[in-house]
Amino acid sequence: QITLKESGPTLAKPTQTLTLTCTFSGFSLSTSGVGVGWIRQPPGKALEWLALIYWDDDKRYSSSLKSRLTITKDTSKNQVVLTVTNMDPVDTATYYCAHFQAVAATFDYWGQGTLVTVSS
Amino acid sequence: SSELTQDPAVSVALGQTVRITCQGDSLRNYYATWYQQKPGQAPVLVIYGKNNRPSGIPDRFSGSSSGNTASLTITGAQAEDEADYHCSSRDSSGYHLVFGGGTKLTVL
Repeated sequence: QITLKESGPTLAKPTQTLTLTCTFSGFSLSTSGVGVGWIRQPPGKALEWLALIYWDDDKRYSSSLKSRLTITKDTSKNQVVLTVTNMDPVDTATYYCAHFQAVAATFDYWGQGTLVTVSS
Repeated sequence: SSELTQDPAVSVALGQTVRITCQGDSLRNYYATWYQQKPGQAPVLVIYGKNNRPSGIPDRFSGSSSGNTASLTITGAQAEDEADYHCSSRDSSGYHLVFGGGTKLTVL
């Protein structure tokens, strides 16, 4: 059974760096064809893909946010970490991590999401 | 292009068939994936690949594609199908992922 859970601060101040952790179980991020991605959703708005890390440590980032994002993995801890620098109120959103199947380019298991509010 | 376009809202009468579409250049080369999202919940995968349903997804959900348009069809819509539906795909480069703007489905 694959599960994922996001953790991190619920409140961030403008200009701060946000660090979110995705802790997962039921799969290994060293298995070929597997990845973990981050997706966010501002209140009442669409989903936005942010970043993806593959089993071989290949990393992909949204072109519009690339300069602000870093994704890393700790296979031994079953964790993926996303950092977002220079937070702004427009970054207020629910942040999801999800298990990714590379062949189908599909997020087949999602965490429950964590709402991050950016406010001074 | 890295955009996927969806109609913001669609409605269907209970028991009828509805098609939700997703348009984008990348869909000429990559399949769309469809997610269902109910209020306050995380998205759930409903269709991926050519027309594949994960275990537990009713067979009234199906997917298809033609040219730059992917479609999610619900045959015999149920009240519990009322939700937001999001499409996604790789972008035209194949390097990144992209989501559509989402379609709010109302079952009347």
